[in-house]
Amino acid sequence: NAGVTQTPKFRILKIGQSMTLQCTQDMNHNYMYWYRQDPGMGLKLIYYSVGAGITDKGEVPNGYNVSRSTTEDFPLRLELAAPSQTSVYFCASSLWEGETEAFFGQGTRLTVV
Amino acid sequence: QQQVKQSPQSLIVQKGGISIINCAYENTAFDYFPWYQQFPGKGPALLIAIRPDVSEKKEGRFTISFNKSAKQFSLHIMDSQPGDSATYFCAASMSGGTSYGKLTFGQGTILTVHP
Repeated sequence: NAGVTQTPKFRILKIGQSMTLQCTQDMNHNYMYWYRQDPGMGLKLIYYSVGAGITDKGEVPNGYNVSRSTTEDFPLRLELAAPSQTSVYFCASSLWEGETEAFFGQGTRLTVV
Repeated sequence: QQQVKQSPQSLIVQKGGISIINCAYENTAFDYFPWYQQFPGKGPALLIAIRPDVSEKKEGRFTISFNKSAKQFSLHIMDSQPGDSATYFCAASMSGGTSYGKLTFGQGTILTVHP
C-alpha cells in the first residue's frame, strides 16, 4: 500500500520554464489537495479536488493549474516558473466521510533560478 | 488572512520535560482540529485530532486541550523524547459543503528535545 506518491522529489527549473508535479494515491480517496510549504509560513492550499473532474482554487492558486481526470491522479502544472514558486510542494488525499485525516506525500522540493 | 496562529515558532525542551504548543483560530465554523507531525524530508502525518464537543483528548504522551470559548487549542507532549524532535503543525477545518477537508495550517513549531 503506497499511499500518496509524488514525483519528482527534487527539481531545479529556470525562470519561464514549465513543469508538472505528479501525484497519485491508491487509497480510493475522493478528496485530493496540493499545498506549498515555505519556511515559517506553514502549509498553504493551492488547489483541491473533491472528485474526478472537479477542482477548485485554494488560498494561493496563481501561477498553477490542476486537472483531475481519474480518482487516483492529481497533477499540478506550473506555467512560466518564477522564483516565488521556489518551495516544497505536498500532495495530500482524504476520505469523503468520517474523520478528515489527510495523508501526505513526501513532497517535491522545487527551486526556480 | 491567517486564520490559525501558532506559537512558539521554536521550542527547546530537555528529555523528560513537557512540550507545549499553542494555537488560536478565528473562524468559529471550524469543527475539526488536528495536529500534524513532520520529520525532515517527510510529509506531515496526523498525530492527534479533536472536535469541539470535548475539551481534552489524550493519546499516549500526547494531549490536546481545547478551549472553545477562547478559540484556542494546545498540544502537550509529556515526557518529551529526542525522537519527538520534529516540526508540529496545528490545523483546522470545517465539515460540510465545498470546505470539507480543507485544512488551514498554523505556521509550525520546530521542537528540539535535548538528551
